[in-house]
Amino acid sequence: GESVGLHLPTLSVQEGDNSIINCAYSNSASDYFIWYKQESGKGPQFIIDIRSNMDKRQGQRVTVLLNKTVKHLSLQIAATQPGDSAVYFCAENAGGTSYGKLTFGQGTILTVHP
Amino acid sequence: DGGITQSPKYLFRKEGQNVTLSCEQNLNHDAMYWYRQDPGQGLRLIYYSQIVNDFQKGDIAEGYSVSREKKESFPLTVTSAQKNPTAFYLCASSTLLGLAGTRHTDTQYFGPGTRLTVL
Repeated sequence: GESVGLHLPTLSVQEGDNSIINCAYSNSASDYFIWYKQESGKGPQFIIDIRSNMDKRQGQRVTVLLNKTVKHLSLQIAATQPGDSAVYFCAENAGGTSYGKLTFGQGTILTVHP
Repeated sequence: DGGITQSPKYLFRKEGQNVTLSCEQNLNHDAMYWYRQDPGQGLRLIYYSQIVNDFQKGDIAEGYSVSREKKESFPLTVTSAQKNPTAFYLCASSTLLGLAGTRHTDTQYFGPGTRLTVL
């Protein structure tokens, strides 16, 4: 899940395992959610997104699940590879008058061991 | 990184100086954004722009200024009023979906970032 301050949550997995990264979002009006992957010294890279009219969306090796009742978002990575090691951020957008704004979580550090 | 470029990659600033960070996109996106990232933290929005010649303050606009004279370009100036400017600065762009009053951002794509250090 997400944390406050400099102590990012971490997840360590073995190569080939499945990974689940969680995110609790804050705004019940948010209707668009994105997962980003950020490698050290680089800009965030889009992974997958989901709108609030869906509960689940699948991409290549990744699945995003959305539970609006408890305001929870998760990213599942199948058959995790060393190249998946990075910081993963969830972001939410409320649309309407704040449609230009994404609010980012603090991030989760994923480390994949060969 | 897609079609978004940022320059320079590294920038050093002396106390009291203004510096300008460049962001250019060739994706024909309507909206552009500037974020600041501090070590071990998420991204915080500085400014964003939905159309040319218009922009809005984000959550931490104090000490920064922007302009949007062209659709492709959204430069950020870090002024001497910014007390703690050392950070990683990220530019993003996106299309906007929907009609006025009910618009939504589409996926935001990020540039490679500029690391600013105050000497």
